[in-house]
Amino acid sequence: GDSVTQMEGPVTLSEEAFLTINCTYTATGYPSLFWYVQYPGEGLQLLLKATKADDKGSNKGFEATYRKETTSFHLEKGSVQVSDSAVYFCALSDRTGNQFYFGTGTSLTVIP
Amino acid sequence: SAVISQKPSRDICQRGTSLTIQCQVDSQVTMMFWYRQQPGQSLTLIATANQGSEATYESGFVIDKFPISRPNLTFSTLTVSNMSPEDSSIYLCSVGLSGELFFGEGSRLTVL
Repeated sequence: GDSVTQMEGPVTLSEEAFLTINCTYTATGYPSLFWYVQYPGEGLQLLLKATKADDKGSNKGFEATYRKETTSFHLEKGSVQVSDSAVYFCALSDRTGNQFYFGTGTSLTVIP
Repeated sequence: SAVISQKPSRDICQRGTSLTIQCQVDSQVTMMFWYRQQPGQSLTLIATANQGSEATYESGFVIDKFPISRPNLTFSTLTVSNMSPEDSSIYLCSVGLSGELFFGEGSRLTVL
């Protein structure tokens, strides 16, 4: 069945460091891919998404490219800030858009 | 997009009691989902609640323990029955809209 495998955390970075959080997926057909962010004490918010191969989703300086050849959707940011400290979830939805699958989440802490 | 309000945002409950969580959406949606997020864990889908039909429960979740109501297209409730400390979690309401999932801020339950 469909699934998402996400880089284990926690991740601790210094401010202005480069961030990569790896995410790979298994799916039949052509899923949509998402990154959600959960700030401390809050619910999940959509950070970015991509709906087809080679699409790049971007938001708040974060980017991820839908790579069908490597079945990956890695999250990157060139210079993290303390305010980026959160848990990041990679997710996919199946072809119907009715089933969503989440990775285990990666906790990021950015220190000044 | 959709704005989702959940009540209560948090509660402390006694073992053996039941608690009902309410989820209100600012627009009419067909698909609503209830997730559980145990401490430090990813999201686990409890059930899908579509208006006008019985909720569909995932493996490991049963209606007697987690009864769900979906009286209209903007509202749903999840009851956690006969609670035990193992039910201490964040419970998240979400809706599927235009191929995306939108989340409420969650209800953090602590069972003593």
